[in-house]
Amino acid sequence: DAGITQSPRYKITETGRQVTLMCHQTWSHSYMFWYRQDLGHGLRLIYYSAAADITDKGEVPDGYVVSRSKTENFPLTLESATRSQTSVYFCASSSKGGVLLRRKTLAKNIQYFGAGTRLSVL
Amino acid sequence: GENVEQHPSTLSVQEGDSAVIKCTYSDSASNYFPWYKQELGKRPQLIIDIRSNVGEKKDQRIAVTLNKTAKHFSLHITETQPEDSAVYFCAASIIFASYGGSQGNLIFGKGTKLSVKP
Repeated sequence: DAGITQSPRYKITETGRQVTLMCHQTWSHSYMFWYRQDLGHGLRLIYYSAAADITDKGEVPDGYVVSRSKTENFPLTLESATRSQTSVYFCASSSKGGVLLRRKTLAKNIQYFGAGTRLSVL
Repeated sequence: GENVEQHPSTLSVQEGDSAVIKCTYSDSASNYFPWYKQELGKRPQLIIDIRSNVGEKKDQRIAVTLNKTAKHFSLHITETQPEDSAVYFCAASIIFASYGGSQGNLIFGKGTKLSVKP
């Protein structure tokens, strides 16, 4: 689990400010994800990335921007923070594809989560 | 797209009793169903998962069952202990075997807060 780290762990900002949440993984996982967790909504996917320079929208992408210039980093930017973006943000990663074992492909699809960033927008 | 419903939202049991959490999914193409446990203030962590080619999987005190026809799957925890208290999330996804096992996105249920009373 220590292979995926998020920073900062806690952040307080004001509406209208730009905020960037960092996510770094040391496993060379192809896939990386950003979720937000809110009471009553569970985990909702914001953006994901299948590889460097490949990103795509998830369930709730509005107001967020991502980039993936390097495999190990997947920053999430709130361009103009709003109070509704107050949440706990989790980054996750998973490996691509499968492992061939006895002529069967066992997919490595477990998502490993970072410790989370608690963001408050005042 | 896929939609995952999870019930109940809260569950309280006595230590030693069993706990069952149920999830339904909408996309019949989903074939991978993991369960994550999240302790208070911690990150979600995978505790068990099941593929659609099996109906049941066990790991010590936890088990997951899958009914593909009805499109529902359940988490069973036996002999519950206080350390089982946490929020549990089910999820559904598609694994594309023809693409080297690449996975579609996980769609999570809204979570069940399990409290185990000593």
